[in-house]
Amino acid sequence: AQSVTQLDSQVPVFEEAPVELRCNYSSSVSVYLFWYVQYPNQGLQLLLKYLSGSTLVESINGFEAEFNKSQTSFHLRKPSVHISDTAEYFCAVGVYNQGGKLIFGQGTELSVKP
Amino acid sequence: GAGVSQSPSNKVTEKGKDVELRCDPISGHTALYWYRQSLGQGLEFLIYFQGNSAPDKSGLPSDRFSAERTGGSVSTLTIQRTQQEDSAVYLCASSSRTQETQYFGPGTRLLVL
Repeated sequence: AQSVTQLDSQVPVFEEAPVELRCNYSSSVSVYLFWYVQYPNQGLQLLLKYLSGSTLVESINGFEAEFNKSQTSFHLRKPSVHISDTAEYFCAVGVYNQGGKLIFGQGTELSVKP
Repeated sequence: GAGVSQSPSNKVTEKGKDVELRCDPISGHTALYWYRQSLGQGLEFLIYFQGNSAPDKSGLPSDRFSAERTGGSVSTLTIQRTQQEDSAVYLCASSSRTQETQYFGPGTRLLVL
């Protein structure tokens, strides 16, 4: 069975500092991956995704994630965070040829302080 | 265009009652998913519909939970004889096809007293 581990439940960081939110998955077959973000009192929004092709994917607001098959990781990074990035971030994994359900990590609460 | 909509946004019920939660997916999306978000359990997959195929019910936690999708569009999640542990936010998502981006609705917050 597949599983997703987000190693940090909470990440406090100062504004303009770099941040990395870690995500590791367990699967013996080909996967595709997403990062979703949930701002306070809002629904889940797609941040970025890896389906195939280039292993480095980027979002429009400066986040990037790199799919590393050998390390089964899909860590999310941003070189300089803003107060507005404060939110909960979820990593999710889907498995090719096994339907469309996603397995989510437990979430990482990013708190950006001035 | 309109996103995924869910109703009601909040539901308070008494233990033992039945509840129905509704999801309207994005028009044209053939895949529809239900998830549950609760404290301590994170986001859990419940059920998945794809076109006319048999649904994947592997995530339903008990036989008190059921879902249907009428006409390939609107879906209803039914919880019978609700229990306090059913309290959670129930999220619906849809995608244009399997393995594409899932777009989530705002959720229904269910509280079982």
